[in-house]
Amino acid sequence: GQNIDQPTEMTATEGAIVQINCTYQTSGFNGLFWYQQHAGEAPTFLSYNVLDGLEEKGRFSSFLSRSKGYSYLLLKELQMKDSASYLCAVLDSNYQLIWGAGTKLIIKP
Amino acid sequence: GAVVSQHPSWVICKSGTSVKIECRSLDFQATTMFWYRQFPKQSLMLMATSNEGSKATYEQGVEKDKFLINHASLTLSTLTVTSAHPEDSSFYICSARIGSWDTDTQYFGPGTRLTVL
Repeated sequence: GQNIDQPTEMTATEGAIVQINCTYQTSGFNGLFWYQQHAGEAPTFLSYNVLDGLEEKGRFSSFLSRSKGYSYLLLKELQMKDSASYLCAVLDSNYQLIWGAGTKLIIKP
Repeated sequence: GAVVSQHPSWVICKSGTSVKIECRSLDFQATTMFWYRQFPKQSLMLMATSNEGSKATYEQGVEKDKFLINHASLTLSTLTVTSAHPEDSSFYICSARIGSWDTDTQYFGPGTRLTVL
């Protein structure tokens, strides 16, 4: 079957760095998305990786290793507003999205 | 974990026809279902929120008469794109929420890719 694993919850301190991991097993791969979702709001697009490597976008970076079925989202200089759920989703060979359950990130002062 | 399915996975239709997309929660009852539209590498745009047995709440700018939503049971919501046009071509994603108003856990479906010729 297809599945995506990511931690259920993580806690970090304001100003610090946190890495949210995502491992996947899917039938085919056409890219991996990271979304941020605040409670009561729609998911916001953060990144899309289809090739191996690290992509940096401001305070957020996303890494992909296709051979390992692994990605991570790196958040630097954490701010209180970064408290949210972070969703990992993979586009499989049929261009269907396979979703992780999301990681709830709690930022403490 | 909770599973949400969508049917069909993809559909190609002629301009002017109507297309129905189903969203089902397979192993749980969803009090609320959401319909999103996704453009390439962009955020999911919330179209509407549907609660079982009541009318859907549409987001500003979404035409109610064009995107008909029916939430007939706790496990099924349907989105019908009426008189589809090429600009309606998109990836439509549904999600289902478990629990009460203060439980914000959503489970997302795999999406339906609509292409209107």
